[in-house]
Amino acid sequence: ILNVEQSPQSLHVQEGDSTNFTCSFPSSNFYALHWYRWETAKSPEALFVMTLNGDEKKKGRISATLNTKEGYSYLYIKGSQPEDSATYLCAFGAGSYQLTFGKGTKLSVIP
Amino acid sequence: KAGVTQTPRYLIKTRGQQVTLSCSPISGHRSVSWYQQTPGQGLQFLFEYFSETQRNKGNFPGRFSGRQFSNSRSEMNVSTLELGDSALYLCASSPLGNEKLFFGSGTQLSVL
Repeated sequence: ILNVEQSPQSLHVQEGDSTNFTCSFPSSNFYALHWYRWETAKSPEALFVMTLNGDEKKKGRISATLNTKEGYSYLYIKGSQPEDSATYLCAFGAGSYQLTFGKGTKLSVIP
Repeated sequence: KAGVTQTPRYLIKTRGQQVTLSCSPISGHRSVSWYQQTPGQGLQFLFEYFSETQRNKGNFPGRFSGRQFSNSRSEMNVSTLELGDSALYLCASSPLGNEKLFFGSGTQLSVL
């Protein structure tokens, strides 16, 4: 059974603060690491898919890094805005056409 | 381009009944996967289909089954419903199966 852990479980930050969360995953049989943003009453939306150790991806104020050897990925949000409030999910892919999701980090940005 | 469409949006069933959920993927996407979301749990993988073939199945009882049609639309069936089957069922599509997923809005199933 694959174990994907995300921390913290929830986070409250003030508007303008920068923040980051962690995703831990198995360091063996790695194929890809996905990040999704899931806003209330909407569908999960893909942010990044990373496949190579050392990968860094950026989309606006959001960026992510990947360390496959030690089995972790960080998601960073610079200058948080209220519209960033969502649950952020990471998912580990071992190349078997299925993803193992973590339970997510729920971010609340206070105006 | 239309997104992933799931129907129905809400369903209420009673224990022992069966239910069928439908998913229409993005045009051109041949992989469809299904996930279950229950409170306090992460998304749990149910199964994945590609070109009408099930390529992988998660750790769910045989009451959960699915299929995919030649137009890539997929259905998921749950027989002999139990209270614990109450959940949000999400369908996702991708071109080949190992890329980023595009999710539908889900079907919220309540079993009474």
